[in-house]
Amino acid sequence: AQTVTQSQPEMSVQEAETVTLSCTYDTSESNYYLFWYKQPPSRQMILVIRQEAYKQQNATENRFSVNFQKAAKSFSLKISDSQLGDTAMYFCAFHTNAGKSTFGDGTTLTVKP
Amino acid sequence: EAQVTQNPRYLITVTGKKLTVTCSQNMNHEYMSWYRQDPGLGLRQIYYSMNVEVTDKGDVPEGYKVSRKEKRNFPLILESPSPNQTSLYFCASSILAVRGDTQYFGPGTRLTVL
Repeated sequence: AQTVTQSQPEMSVQEAETVTLSCTYDTSESNYYLFWYKQPPSRQMILVIRQEAYKQQNATENRFSVNFQKAAKSFSLKISDSQLGDTAMYFCAFHTNAGKSTFGDGTTLTVKP
Repeated sequence: EAQVTQNPRYLITVTGKKLTVTCSQNMNHEYMSWYRQDPGLGLRQIYYSMNVEVTDKGDVPEGYKVSRKEKRNFPLILESPSPNQTSLYFCASSILAVRGDTQYFGPGTRLTVL
């Protein structure tokens, strides 16, 4: 079984600044995938970024990047140049290639003008 | 438009009255999954399906049933709903789970069991 821990229930950041959301996980799997999803007030789940565990290079999508430390089982999300539209709940998730998925409890991010 | 649809979007029912929440995707995805989301918690996996006629239990399968008779549909059945099944439910699909493909989520179904 795997677990995903997000230790920051709530965070805030000023518009245009940078913020990092933390995520750690525990697993005995060797082949897995890590994701960050965003859930705005509409409740729709939106993919932010995806990382393949066998790739050492950290994934990047525009203003979003990850710091993937496989040995430490850490997968943090960095949001640069924060925008008001980034205000949302962010979930870290672990997917195995056998179909099982585990989500963290989420971090509520508020971007302040 | 590529999408995952769920029906109904909102449902209020009473204890013990059987109900089905439908999920359909038009992307020819092989993998589908059901989750529930409760306040203060992340999504928890109920059941998933790697392909037609193949289903497996997730972390919280008690009180739920699923079937996957055709690729596009993956209904969630509550045979005898109870108040502790009041939750927000999401269906998701992806091309293939074996390569960790991105899951696309439906809009959610808010279920209240009185």
